[in-house]
Amino acid sequence: EVQLVATGGALIQPGGSLRLSCVASGFSVTSNYMSWVRQAPGKGLEWASLIYSGGSTYYADSAKGRFTISRDTSKNTVHLQMNSLRAEDTALYYCARVRVTGSYFSLDYWGQGTLVTVSS
Amino acid sequence: SYVLTQPPSMSVAPGQTARIPCGGNNIGIKTVHWYQQKPGQAPVLVINDDSDRPSGIPDRISGSNSGNTATLTISRVEAGDEADYFCQVWDTGSDHNDHQGVFGGGTKLTVL
Repeated sequence: EVQLVATGGALIQPGGSLRLSCVASGFSVTSNYMSWVRQAPGKGLEWASLIYSGGSTYYADSAKGRFTISRDTSKNTVHLQMNSLRAEDTALYYCARVRVTGSYFSLDYWGQGTLVTVSS
Repeated sequence: SYVLTQPPSMSVAPGQTARIPCGGNNIGIKTVHWYQQKPGQAPVLVINDDSDRPSGIPDRISGSNSGNTATLTISRVEAGDEADYFCQVWDTGSDHNDHQGVFGGGTKLTVL
């Protein structure tokens, strides 16, 4: 059974750093594309980052230069390192597996989310 | 950057058909995915690749995409269909080297 468990969310001061983790089971994160999507309280979904199975990474404009997505193959885990955090980064952060059909990507399994609150 | 536009809310009576639009510039040449999100839950993929249904999604739910509008259609609406629905595409940017996910703002479907 495919499962994604996201952890690492916390209350953090503006300018601080946080690393989110997403432990996967039922599949290999290195053989799949993985993504992070966030949702501010009461708002819609916002895509944050994507990592290919080959290691290429992509970021939303709001995340470029501040967020880094990576994988730990030994722990079958995907991380999102977030630096220089701002109040507008406050959100529930979901990790998701990317389903690849031909050249099309959809997000077929989602974790339960981990809450990041940026506030002084 | 690419923009997807959805109506914030829609309402439909049980047994009727809900058609949720997702507008974007020439969206017909992109591939659209749809997600359902119920309160307090993670999103669930209900339509991938414009019109394909993942395993477990009822055939009452369908998708189409043409021109400047993609549409999620829910036939014979039930109380359990009440949720937020989000459309999503990938945009490669002007140089086609980037890869950015884009979500519509979401439509809250209310079953009367």
